[in-house]
Amino acid sequence: QKEVEQNSGPLSVPEGAIASLNCTYSDRGSQSFFWYRQYSGKSPELIMFIYSNGDKEDGRFTAQLNKASQYVSLLIRDSQPSDSATYLCAGITDSWGKLQFGAGTQVVVTP
Amino acid sequence: DTEVTQTPKHLVMGMTNKKSLKCEQHMGHRAMYWYKQKAKKPPELMFVYSYEKLSINESVPSRFSPECPNSSLLNLHLHALQPEDSALYLCASSQPQGDYNSPLHFGNGTRLTVT
Repeated sequence: QKEVEQNSGPLSVPEGAIASLNCTYSDRGSQSFFWYRQYSGKSPELIMFIYSNGDKEDGRFTAQLNKASQYVSLLIRDSQPSDSATYLCAGITDSWGKLQFGAGTQVVVTP
Repeated sequence: DTEVTQTPKHLVMGMTNKKSLKCEQHMGHRAMYWYKQKAKKPPELMFVYSYEKLSINESVPSRFSPECPNSSLLNLHLHALQPEDSALYLCASSQPQGDYNSPLHFGNGTRLTVT
């Protein structure tokens, strides 16, 4: 069973602090990983994707991938109340583009 | 604004009805997907079309029938659904997967309630 694991939270973060989200995966063949943000009742919104080992930064978001250790992380700097959402980690597990999602981590940013 | 548009946004149907969900993408993608999402769960893949051909059918019940008229349109035909089929139905699109995987972009979803 190809799995992506996430801590479901909730992760409570003070406004202005760094939120750190982690994800592990079991399929060593997975090449690409994605972070989606999902507000309650809304659809997932792509915020980051990463293919290579190391860090990738986009604004307040930094994704990190370590293929040897099979983990992916997302850092949210200067967290804002609008960042309160569920963050889904996903990897692509086959050539057809099937996304294997983690359960999602709920982030709550407190003023 | 999303470049993957789904209609309707909400749908309530009885178990004997026939309805269709529609999806259109304006991103020039050649792969389109239907996902189903229950409350507090991650999305689950139902169907994948790549170059307008059905590539994956994840053993979804036959009461769900996909159709891909062209590279930018995707339909999901619904017939004789059960109350447990009530969920958020998500359409997504991407470039066909290659050596490096293309991100999926989701539409806003259709909230389906079966009564």
